[in-house]
Amino acid sequence: AQSVTQPDIHITVSEGASLELRCNYSYGATPYLFWYVQSPGQGLQLLLKYFSGDTLVQGIKGFEAEFKRSQSSFNLRKPSVHWSDAAEYFCAVGAQTSGSRLTFGEGTQLTVNP
Amino acid sequence: EPEVTQTPSHQVTQMGQEVILRCVPISNHLYFYWYRQILGQKVEFLVSFYNNEISEKSEIFDDQFSVERPDGSNFTLKIRSTKLEDSAMYFCASSVGTSGVNRFFGPGTRLTVL
Repeated sequence: AQSVTQPDIHITVSEGASLELRCNYSYGATPYLFWYVQSPGQGLQLLLKYFSGDTLVQGIKGFEAEFKRSQSSFNLRKPSVHWSDAAEYFCAVGAQTSGSRLTFGEGTQLTVNP
Repeated sequence: EPEVTQTPSHQVTQMGQEVILRCVPISNHLYFYWYRQILGQKVEFLVSFYNNEISEKSEIFDDQFSVERPDGSNFTLKIRSTKLEDSAMYFCASSVGTSGVNRFFGPGTRLTVL
C-alpha cells in the first residue's frame, strides 16, 4: 500500500528565508510524486510533479523538489519565501497507471512572518 | 486557462438527506475523480471514473455513495443518506489520461451535515 508522511505539521519562516518541506513516501514501484498547495478556502493547485528523468524538478512560483529514491523522499524547496506563500502544502504519491488514485500526506501548514 | 468547477460551494443538509455535488471537469479530460478532506485531516481518495464506469474506489466509497456522468459535461457525486461524519470538503478532479499528468482539482464543495 502506498503512503506519504509529512513530518512537519506546521512551519514558520521569515519572509526572504529559504524553505524546505519534507516528504517521505512508501511505494512498491517507481511512483509519480506531486506537491500541491492549498490556500484558505481554495482548491488544490499543482506546484510540481515528478515522473521520471531528472530528479530535480522545477515548478511554479519558484518552487523545486528533489526526488531521492534511496531516501524515499521528495522534499520541496524554495530559496526565498514570499508572504503570499503562506498556505498548506500537500505531498502526494500515485501509481504509474492511468487514472490511479493519489495518496496524500497530512499536509504542512506554512506561516510566513514579515 | 481551463479549470474544473464545482457547485455549490457550500451545502448544508440534515442528517439522512440525500445530496448531490456537481462538478464540471475540463472538457477534453477523460478521467474524473472525487476526493474529500475532513476538516483538519488529509485529502482522501474516494473514486475514479473512466469511460462511464468506476475504475477504482476506496473503502470510504460505500453503498451510500454513487457517481454519475449524466451528460457530456457534468460529473456528480451523490450521497444517499448523509451522516454527520460526511461533513467535509469534497474535491472533484479531472485528468487527460495518463496517471497524474495534468490532474486538475476544483475549488471544492464544503458539505455540512447537521
